[in-house]
Amino acid sequence: DGGITQSPKYLFRKEGQNVTLSCEQNLNHDAMYWYRQDPGQGLRLIYYSQIVNDFQKGDIAEGYSVSREKKESFPLTVTSAQKNPTAFYLCASSPRPGTGNYGYTFGSGTRLTVV
Amino acid sequence: AQTVTQSQPEMSVQEAETVTLSCTYDTSESNYYLFWYKQPPSRQMILVIRQEAYKQQNATENRFSVNFQKAAKSFSLKISDSQLGDTAMYFCAFMKLYGGATNKLIFGTGTLLAVQP
Repeated sequence: DGGITQSPKYLFRKEGQNVTLSCEQNLNHDAMYWYRQDPGQGLRLIYYSQIVNDFQKGDIAEGYSVSREKKESFPLTVTSAQKNPTAFYLCASSPRPGTGNYGYTFGSGTRLTVV
Repeated sequence: AQTVTQSQPEMSVQEAETVTLSCTYDTSESNYYLFWYKQPPSRQMILVIRQEAYKQQNATENRFSVNFQKAAKSFSLKISDSQLGDTAMYFCAFMKLYGGATNKLIFGTGTLLAVQP
């Protein structure tokens, strides 16, 4: 079945460490997104990518980095510059605009905790 | 910039009753989509219903329907015959339709709905 796989489900990071969250999709979607979810703040866009080797900052990109070397993969690195990284992270993908399908498919999320 | 406001942080409803969740948005665009997503305790995001702004008819999906008031920029979700499985966080979301670019979803802060037996 097609879908999005995020791993790991739970991740613990020590102060000053970089960690990478994985996101893989087999839906042949062109666009991929990373959202951060905090209590009472909904989902906020970190980064998004429309095509391979191209990505744009979202609303809260500081302290994060991404890459898009393959269509299927869009990993997110939480760097030590991110001052408050404890949150729930959701990855999503969508087909190319203009196809008439504007639905997002979401992964099951990664819970990151700083210890 | 577009914003989405959900003014009800929490709501409660008895099983089998009807409940309405509110959502307002701010935009100067005329071409856009509106969505309601459900996030149960598993935290998996599930699309509940979608409305195209150019359509006057309100979208319905089984027990879920919307009241889309374009002039008032209001997009409420009505859940009929509430079931225990409807217990979840509900997010309203806005998508501006760009010409050829990626369509970003902008979310509200969510409404936590509890269905009581």
